[in-house]
Amino acid sequence: GQNIDQPTEMTATEGAIVQINCTYQTSGFNGLFWYQQHAGEAPTFLSYNVLDGLEEKGRFSSFLSRSKGYSYLLLKELQMKDSASYLCAVRANYGGATNKLIFGTGTLLAVQP
Amino acid sequence: DADVTQTPRNRITKTGKRIMLECSQTKGHDRMYWYRQDPGLGLRLIYYSFDVKDINKGEISDGYSVSRQAQAKFSLSLESAIPNQTALYFCATSDNWVHQPQHFGDGTRLSIL
Repeated sequence: GQNIDQPTEMTATEGAIVQINCTYQTSGFNGLFWYQQHAGEAPTFLSYNVLDGLEEKGRFSSFLSRSKGYSYLLLKELQMKDSASYLCAVRANYGGATNKLIFGTGTLLAVQP
Repeated sequence: DADVTQTPRNRITKTGKRIMLECSQTKGHDRMYWYRQDPGLGLRLIYYSFDVKDINKGEISDGYSVSRQAQAKFSLSLESAIPNQTALYFCATSDNWVHQPQHFGDGTRLSIL
């Protein structure tokens, strides 16, 4: 089956660094996305990994290890506006279809002053 | 103007009613998707379409139908609404290139009494 795990909630302090982990078990893995979603709003794309290693984009970085079924999102210099849910989504080929996105339940990050 | 527009943004209706949620996009993408989001369950795929003549069921298609009227329009129907279809519904689009992210509309909050 397809399964994605990420912590339900995390708390961090403004200005600090936080790492949000995601582990997955899927067949036909074909890439991993991270999305940010503020309460009641649309998910917005943050980063994408298809090969092992680190992808950096300003204050946000994402890491992938395909052999371990593991990714993390690193947020640096946290700001209050970073308080949101962070969704890990795996693209996989399964069930006779290609490139389906499977979403984790999201990690709700609270940034405190 | 938003690239992916969903109407209505909010809807309250009664059990047994037929409801249509509409999605239109100006991104020129061929691929369109309908998801629902429930607390603690994350985003789940209802239906998806890779072009105007292509319609595919997702994980939770029972009780729903879709119509791809044009490249830019993809509507979701609930033929006879029931209370457990109360959720936040998102439309998304993506380019054909496999490594491109999905882009989400602002969502429709649907309540069925």
